Amino acid sequence: DAGITQSPRHKVTETGTPVTLRCHQTENHRYMYWYRQDPGHGLRLIHYSYGVKDTDKGEVSDGYSVSRSKTEDFLLTLESATSSQTSVYFCATHGPTDTQYFGPGTRLTVL
Amino acid sequence: GNSVTQMEGPVTLSEEAFLTINCTYTATGYPSLFWYVQYPGEGLQLLLKATKADDKGSNKGFEATYRKETTSFHLEKGSVQVSDSAVYFCALSRDTGNQFYFGTGTSLTVIP
Repeated sequence: DAGITQSPRHKVTETGTPVTLRCHQTENHRYMYWYRQDPGHGLRLIHYSYGVKDTDKGEVSDGYSVSRSKTEDFLLTLESATSSQTSVYFCATHGPTDTQYFGPGTRLTVL
Repeated sequence: GNSVTQMEGPVTLSEEAFLTINCTYTATGYPSLFWYVQYPGEGLQLLLKATKADDKGSNKGFEATYRKETTSFHLEKGSVQVSDSAVYFCALSRDTGNQFYFGTGTSLTVIP
């Protein structure tokens, strides 16, 4: 395991509210990723980071922003949550053996 | 572009049955190929990987061979157990941006 934790693990929120999910890693991996997992879609990349303050968009980035002020922390923010953002969110890091390591996930429900 | 296609599920097998989950890929150059497993309520875990053509990845009785001629990386296990019930994801990695491309996942249920 790459020592990845996510918080919160579960969250219920209302449409229109901002939400921030946190990913924390202890392995000093340079690359970090946020995915969402939905039935029939598998994993889709939202944003990724290739270093402190260096981020880029993935295939489903609309409505999401990220920040990385420290190597170990990668934050995902839903600026104004919508019901379509109800999903399970996974953080991952990219280790030195060309392998991605995943956190336990955050289940987000937007009412 | 880069993409992974894996067989639709769900798959239901009896204990000790033979398992095959098909995976084919599209990629430029020479990607690395992976199988990940997700148990209920958990994140994805690496099951096995192969980094070049004809390599065989293996772990916990599961195997997959990197076939460049058929662009495939099928997952197999000779005798499944109830504890193998999970969702299995095929994935490929390209160097650019260290990005992974995942299939949609195949749910496996093994019944006693």
